[in-house]
Amino acid sequence: DTAVSQTPKYLVTQMGNDKSIKCEQNLGHDTMYWYKQDSKKFLKIMFSYNNKELIINETVPNRFSPKSPDKAHLNLHINSLELGDSAVYFCASSQDYSRAAFFGQGTRLTVV
Amino acid sequence: GNSVTQMEGPVTLSEEAFLTINCTYTATGYPSLFWYVQYPGEGLQLLLKATKADDKGSNKGFEATYRKETTSFHLEKGSVQVSDSAVYFCALTSMNYGGSQGNLIFGKGTKLSVKP
Repeated sequence: DTAVSQTPKYLVTQMGNDKSIKCEQNLGHDTMYWYKQDSKKFLKIMFSYNNKELIINETVPNRFSPKSPDKAHLNLHINSLELGDSAVYFCASSQDYSRAAFFGQGTRLTVV
Repeated sequence: GNSVTQMEGPVTLSEEAFLTINCTYTATGYPSLFWYVQYPGEGLQLLLKATKADDKGSNKGFEATYRKETTSFHLEKGSVQVSDSAVYFCALTSMNYGGSQGNLIFGKGTKLSVKP
């Protein structure tokens, strides 16, 4: 069973479109995250959710919005996509701060 | 704020060479330290961790020791293999003083290429 799964794995879309990336974890973790990895492999945290409440919201454009229907899911919705949004987006989850985060396989978003 | 600094890559080594990837950190609170590995086309996987000063994390021949006095967590392996070729990330997370969980913060990653 996959611990953290995200879909789709690849997403190609045109500028201006709205898209969503789904993430689910079956580990029973309390905290979930979204990270953006750029072409230089730099990882930037975008959001983290703890028990369905946003606890840390980094300075990302408000075109990005996390949505958590329940503790096991944290979806990422992006409005009005721009070329600069092209990157790999990773979902992750952890039980608490001292334990490891488990990552999904990533979603490669390409905006054309 | 919390931050992680790791050596710039890429690092290219011959098989069986000794590996060191330096990592230093700044953190408030009580950080836990991690090394993650990302193989080509895959997500990040935990390689090893240490949750308090002087702890040594180890896995698959890799080791790193949590040094509070030098705020470092350098990754080492005595004899690398071609299959170790990947990007390695140093990371930390820290409990905030209020008791809430802090962000998992990553360094910029170091690409390792091992040649036969």
